[in-house]
Parts: sequence; structure tokens; C-alpha cells
Amino acid sequence: DGGITQSPKYLFRKEGQNVTLSCEQNLNHDAMYWYRQDPGQGLRLIYYSQIVNDFQKGDIAEGYSVSREKKESFPLTVTSAQKNPTAFYLCASSLVEYSNQPQHFGDGTRLSIL
Amino acid sequence: SQQGEEDPQALSIQEGENATMNCSYKTSINNLQWYRQNSGRGLVHLILIRSNEREKHSGRLRVTLDTSKKSSSLLITASRAADTASYFCATDSRGETSGSRLTFGEGTQLTVNP
Repeated sequence: DGGITQSPKYLFRKEGQNVTLSCEQNLNHDAMYWYRQDPGQGLRLIYYSQIVNDFQKGDIAEGYSVSREKKESFPLTVTSAQKNPTAFYLCASSLVEYSNQPQHFGDGTRLSIL
Repeated sequence: SQQGEEDPQALSIQEGENATMNCSYKTSINNLQWYRQNSGRGLVHLILIRSNEREKHSGRLRVTLDTSKKSSSLLITASRAADTASYFCATDSRGETSGSRLTFGEGTQLTVNP
């Protein structure tokens, strides 16, 4: 089945530690996105990428980094510079070739501080 | 600031009743999309309405769009307990060029009581 896989489902970070969240898709989508969701709130865009080896900052990129070395993969690193990383992180993808396309989401990674 | 704002924040109804959720936005849009999120899961795309469309149906869902008032509504008819979830509107303000960059509202929590 085509879809987006995020791992791990739960992740714990120690103070001063960088952690990496995985996002893989087999939908052959060009565009991929990372969102942060805090309790009872909507989604805020962290980073997005429309093509391999290129990505842009979203609205809350500080303290995060990404890479896009393969079309299928868009990992997110939460660095120690992100002082409030506890949140639910969602990865999504969409077609780029056509406009008016929906985004397809993974099931998220919940990050907590130890 | 939030591009999409949903109203009400929470809605509780009985099975079989209709549920109406509203979304307002501030800038011109290319399209508006509605998503559903079950607790602890990713978002699932429900319906996309383009800026030149006024109404769209999909099964028990009916979406309207009024670009003069910058508002949209989602109607779920004959609700079921399984419809219990958070519902988000998202606006795509990019041009017709490529990809999508969505701005999400804070969502409406719908509870359907059996």
C-alpha cells in the first residue's frame, strides 16, 4: 500500500541532545512537509521541500534542521537549540506537478523531554 | 496569525444529527481543504474546494465556500459515533504554479454521542 511512514511513534529527548525523526513515502510525491502540533492547536509548518536537495524554512524553523537527499525521505532533526521540543510532529507529502493537490499525512511522532 | 479559524472550537451532538463547522480566513486563496484527525493520529484529507467553486459534496459531507466573506463551512449529515474527531480547515494561498503550502486553523473537536 502507498503511504507515509513516520518513525518512531514515541521519542524521548535528553537535555542537550539532538534527535532525528524519520519520514519515508512511497507515493512518488515530489513535495514533503514537516509540521508541529501542540495540544489543542492546529499545525504549524517547520520546513518543506519540493525537490531533492532543496528545502525551505516554514513558519517555525528555528531549532530544527532537515535534509532531502532522496525523493522518498525527509528526516527532521530537532536540535538542542529547540528549547521547547515537546509536541506531536507530522510529516506530509503532495504532488508538485499539478496545482490544487491535497496533502497526505503520516501518523506522527510524539516527542517528549526526559 | 492564523489564516484559518474554525468555529465552534468544540461541538457535541447526538448520533443522527447534522454537524456544521465554519472556517474563516484572511487572504486570497487558491483552494480550501478540510481534514479530519482522530486522536493521536495523522490528518486525513476529506475534501478540497477551489476558489472558483461554491459548493462541493462527498458522501455525507457538504462544503461551501464564500470568497466574498472569506469563509467556508463543512456539513456532516446523519452523523455517526465514528465521526468523532477533530476537523481542520486549511487554506492554500500559493499561485497555480506548483505544490501546496497550507495554513491550518486550530480545529473543531466534534463529539458524536451514541
